[in-house]
Amino acid sequence: EAQVTQNPRYLITVTGKKLTVTCSQNMNHEYMSWYRQDPGLGLRQIYYSMNVEVTDKGDVPEGYKVSRKEKRNFPLILESPSPNQTSLYFCASSPGDYLTGELFFGEGSRLTVL
Amino acid sequence: AQSVAQPEDQVNVAEGNPLTVKCTYSVSGNPYLFWYVQYPNRGLQFLLKYITGDNLVKGSYGFEAEFNKSQTSFHLKKPSALVSDSALYFCAVRDNSNYQLIWGAGTKLIIKP
Repeated sequence: EAQVTQNPRYLITVTGKKLTVTCSQNMNHEYMSWYRQDPGLGLRQIYYSMNVEVTDKGDVPEGYKVSRKEKRNFPLILESPSPNQTSLYFCASSPGDYLTGELFFGEGSRLTVL
Repeated sequence: AQSVAQPEDQVNVAEGNPLTVKCTYSVSGNPYLFWYVQYPNRGLQFLLKYITGDNLVKGSYGFEAEFNKSQTSFHLKKPSALVSDSALYFCAVRDNSNYQLIWGAGTKLIIKP
């Protein structure tokens, strides 16, 4: 089944404790992206990747890191999480790198930072 | 500045009635427009897109959207609403300078039996 898989789906952590949210897609898509969703703010892009070894900042990259060492994986790293990073996070992928096609989303990762 | 506006935070419709969820946009160059739906505790799902061609675009679950260039709008429509259509709907336009999507804030659609 074609899908984007995120882990963990739910996580409660404490300020400053490094964490990684994994994202993997099995559709051989070039493009991948991370978003955060907060009430009233819609979706805000954190980082995106047009292809392997190519990553770019989105609208809200501060406090986050990403890497794209292989096509299928695009992990999101929070080196020192803070409470303002409490949010619902979505990973998405798309064929091609010009976004004329649809985005495929993961089921989301709900992160709480205490 | 490039942007997407969904002017209604919430739309309430009775089951069986037609529904419209509004979206207006501002973008340089040709607009690439999308609608996505988010059901509770789920990721977003693609509904339909406008790239070029007919102004009326048909998509999943019986939804359609009408592209209006002069009004810079891309409203989502369905002739007869179902209770199961209740969800959060997002409009998006592609930023042609960096090929990333600009998202609206979302509209909560509530269909009452």
